[in-house]
Amino acid sequence: GQQLNQSPQSMFIQEGEDVSMNCTSSSIFNTWLWYKQEPGEGPVLLIALYKAGELTSNGRLTAQFGITRKDSFLNISASIPSDVGIYFCAGQWGGTSYGKLTFGQGTILTVHP
Amino acid sequence: KAGVTQTPRYLIKTRGQQVTLSCSPISGHRSVSWYQQTPGQGLQFLFEYFSETQRNKGNFPGRFSGRQFSNSRSEMNVSTLELGDSALYLCASSLDGGRIDAFFGQGTRLTVV
Repeated sequence: GQQLNQSPQSMFIQEGEDVSMNCTSSSIFNTWLWYKQEPGEGPVLLIALYKAGELTSNGRLTAQFGITRKDSFLNISASIPSDVGIYFCAGQWGGTSYGKLTFGQGTILTVHP
Repeated sequence: KAGVTQTPRYLIKTRGQQVTLSCSPISGHRSVSWYQQTPGQGLQFLFEYFSETQRNKGNFPGRFSGRQFSNSRSEMNVSTLELGDSALYLCASSLDGGRIDAFFGQGTRLTVV
């Protein structure tokens, strides 16, 4: 089945530093999504990408849909303590893959003030 | 606009019992997907409903079932609970499940003892 490899698994950074994480897939996806999850809550959608090569920003967050359609990355600039959480990438193949997202394992982000 | 609402937030059940979880999607969204989240397996797709029809299904045993009502609200049922069913169950809603901007609820934390 489709697998998503997300890296790094965890990051410990100082407030103000930039962060970069990525996902690679063994299969092509038509949609890439990035979510953030905090303890006890459901994932919150951060950025959605629909076209190969697409670069989209949401405040301090920037994500790109890889040209091969098999990868995506998320950058967070000037991190702040409230950025702490688990970040997930998710891909959807499309076609008859209704409602089905395949998730990466997550990147645990810790920000030291 | 109200978000995705899942009830109950927490449940404790005994092995062998059955459980029903509820999800009310964002107003106007007709696609509801269900996911199971565990520390070991991460986020895994259970099934998707659109217009009261199951369009897609993940690799879970038949003990896991769902349905959707005419107002797009959805329920999932797990029969003959096993200890391994302990997880956070998440519901996601989107307009049509095709090109997804999937928004998640807070989840139902199920503990099987």
